Amino acid sequence: AQSVAQPEDQVNVAEGNPLTVKCTYSVSGNPYLFWYVQYPNRGLQFLLKYITGDNLVKGSYGFEAEFNKSQTSFHLKKPSALVSDSALYFCAVRDMNSGYSTLTFGKGTMLLVSP
Amino acid sequence: DAGITQSPRYKITETGRQVTLMCHQTWSHSYMFWYRQDLGHGLRLIYYSAAADITDKGEVPDGYVVSRSKTENFPLTLESATRSQTSVYFCASSDPPGGSDEQFFGPGTRLTVL
Repeated sequence: AQSVAQPEDQVNVAEGNPLTVKCTYSVSGNPYLFWYVQYPNRGLQFLLKYITGDNLVKGSYGFEAEFNKSQTSFHLKKPSALVSDSALYFCAVRDMNSGYSTLTFGKGTMLLVSP
Repeated sequence: DAGITQSPRYKITETGRQVTLMCHQTWSHSYMFWYRQDLGHGLRLIYYSAAADITDKGEVPDGYVVSRSKTENFPLTLESATRSQTSVYFCASSDPPGGSDEQFFGPGTRLTVL
């Protein structure tokens, strides 16, 4: 079985400061990992994904994520937060060695960036 | 408009009534998905479809029925709505089904069952 944990329900950061949203995963094989963002009253939007290769993945809106196999983590980062980054962030995983399996999402982390 | 649309965006119904939520995508993606989003649970997969006339259960399928007669449409039916089905429902699609593809989400339907 595959699973995702987002240990923080909410992350608060001041505008201009770096931000990190944490994600750990569990799969039996090798993972495909995704980050999505949800703005109020909207559907989820894809931010970035890790498939293979470089452990540092760059995505939309200046976000990046670091894949750490030994720690089974895929934390989302941004060097300088904007108020407009305030949203709900979801991490998701799929086991690449299980044929086509569906995505498993974490419960989400609310990011609040204060001016 | 290109993309993935859901209708209605908001729906209020009563316990025991049948409700159908519609999902339409214009990309001809082979895979389509239905999720529900609830506080404290994140997104949970209800049903998904790999192609027309091929559907499979997700994590929480009880009380729901799906069909996919055309590639672009994937309706979700609550045969006899219950209060526990009050939720926000999201449809998504993806292609190709290689496992590394991201999913594209619709805007959601907020369903309230009284």
